[in-house]
Formats: sequence, structure tokens, C-alpha cells
Amino acid sequence: NAGVTQTPKFQVLKTGQSMTLQCAQDMNHNSMYWYRQDPGMGLRLIYYSASEGTTDKGEVPNGYNVSRLNKREFSLRLESAAPSQTSVYFCASSEELYSGNTIYFGEGSWLTVV
Amino acid sequence: AQKITQTQPGMFVQEKEAVTLDCTYDTSDQSYGLFWYKQPSSGEMIFLIYQGSYDEQNATEGRYSLNFQKARKSANLVISASQLGDSAMYFCAMREASNTNAGKSTFGDGTTLTVKP
Repeated sequence: NAGVTQTPKFQVLKTGQSMTLQCAQDMNHNSMYWYRQDPGMGLRLIYYSASEGTTDKGEVPNGYNVSRLNKREFSLRLESAAPSQTSVYFCASSEELYSGNTIYFGEGSWLTVV
Repeated sequence: AQKITQTQPGMFVQEKEAVTLDCTYDTSDQSYGLFWYKQPSSGEMIFLIYQGSYDEQNATEGRYSLNFQKARKSANLVISASQLGDSAMYFCAMREASNTNAGKSTFGDGTTLTVKP
């Protein structure tokens, strides 16, 4: 069972470079999310998509853009990477935004900006 | 604003003993969900257990149980019969039901659990 798949798993960028993190889920979920996790901390929501065609800002959206390409795929783009964006990025999905729906996570993408 | 507090940065437990990981939360919503996740050293986030704010009974999933005290706004995770494989970081999280907060889940900073043989 693939669940939530995100690529790449590791990436090193130079300051100012751009890149896109790809995410796909095969659970037929409506809602998808992007989080970042800084060392020793919990996850913070960057952007989320309640359903295909909609996206909304989370807690820390600055410096990022997202695209809900279709029901399965939700990408995160860094237009001009900064060292402060060095983090582990998690894509996640849930059936709906409903508070009782479990959020399932991908395996994470380790991004270093030098 | 929703907030999750995990006051124990690190915990140690002897193998086969039980351990309680603390979590308190703050919300003005009446309807919300509380979750616990495990993050082993490999980095993935593994869902463990869920408690709804209107659930009258504490949630249980195998060796995991959630001690839910609504009036005190606490949702502690209890792991019984600890195993070496339980060594990991544990995160408490909350999702609110209100329209303004829909989709926005809050995570605590985590507790690192080390199980000693």
C-alpha cells in the first residue's frame, strides 16, 4: 500500500534556487496538506487543500506556493529558496477536513538550503 | 488560538513497564479531535490513536490508550508493556471543527521516549 508518496526524499539547494516537491496519494482522499518540521519541533502547516481546486494558507505560508493538480496530487514550490527553509517537509492527506479524520503522512523530504 | 503543550521533552521507561506521555491543549471549540503520532528515528509519522471531543470513553488501540480529561483539557497517551521498538518521538495533535480552523491541525513539540532494556 503506497498511501502518500512524496519526492524527492533528499535535496540540497543553493540560496535563490527554486524547486518543487511532489506529492501523490492513492487513498482517494479529498484533503491534502503540506507541513514543515524544524529540528526538535512539531509540525507546522504551510498550505492545505480542502478538495480538488481549492488551496488555503496555513500557519507558515510565506515563501511557498502550492498547486492541487488533481485529486491525487498536491505540489509545493519554493520559488527562491532561503536557508530558513531548511527543514523536513511532509505531505499528508485525509478523507475530509473534518476534525475526526485521521491525517496520513508521507515519509518526508529532507531539504537543505545552503 | 489552538495550542498543544507537551511538557516532557524526554522520557525514559524500563522495558515492559507502562509510561504516560502528557499532552494539554487549549481551544475554544466544542468539537475537536485529538491525535497521537509516533515518529521513529527513520522520520515517518505513524498514526497511533484518536479521541473525539464528544467521545465518552477513552480511546484504546492495542497497547496504546488515551487518558482523556475534557475538563482539564488533557489527552495523555499511555503505552502499556513498553517495548524497545517504542523508542521514538511522540507528538500530540489537535484538529478543530470550526470553519475558521477547519484543516488546520496543531502539533505539540513532541516527547522523546527511550525504552531501556
